Amino acid sequence: GEDVEQSLFLSVREGDSSVINCTYTDSSSTYLYWYKQEPGAGLQLLTYIFSNMDMKQDQRLTVLLNKKDKHLSLRIADTQTGDSAIYFCAERSGGYQKVTFGTGTKLQVIP
Amino acid sequence: SQTIHQWPATLVQPVGSPLSLECTVEGTSNPNLYWYRQAAGRGLQLLFYSVGIGQISSEVPQNLSASRPQDRQFILSSKKLLLSDSGFYLCAWSPLTGVNTEAFFGQGTRLTVV
Repeated sequence: GEDVEQSLFLSVREGDSSVINCTYTDSSSTYLYWYKQEPGAGLQLLTYIFSNMDMKQDQRLTVLLNKKDKHLSLRIADTQTGDSAIYFCAERSGGYQKVTFGTGTKLQVIP
Repeated sequence: SQTIHQWPATLVQPVGSPLSLECTVEGTSNPNLYWYRQAAGRGLQLLFYSVGIGQISSEVPQNLSASRPQDRQFILSSKKLLLSDSGFYLCAWSPLTGVNTEAFFGQGTRLTVV
């Protein structure tokens, strides 16, 4: 079955890099995602990676995928106060291509 | 283009009253549909998942139920609300196939049970 885990909290100083980690269990995942949730709002897709890739870069965001260890990470370079939010990783797998979310990592950026 | 509508945005209900939250999706067919709950400052908890009309999977035992009377309509209900039902409820959909593969979220309903 699907299970996605993340650490609950990360605190970084403004200007530093943030690395948010995620592990998943379903080896048949086709896509993996990172979402961002601003306070009081719904989730918005930040970026995604195909399961046959090991890295994707999109401006300040770098996604690394270690398929062997079923480990996904999101690196945010030059973290800003506006990056403070909850970040969710998710995987898409199975016959119905169900999307399963982790519990979210709350990123706090200290000025 | 596809859109998802979720209403109401906020709701204050007394303990023991019924609940009905509605979610509809436009611009797609046969979507996977989801109901999530998020406690204050916490992560997502998947409540219900549906792959088709009348097909509902319940992820956790609880006071709530879900129904999918139409392909693009997903309803979250309760006969009698508990204080512990308070939270932020999010509806989402994802396509079974197609280019856009991710899940798309509604704006959420903040439910306060008093």
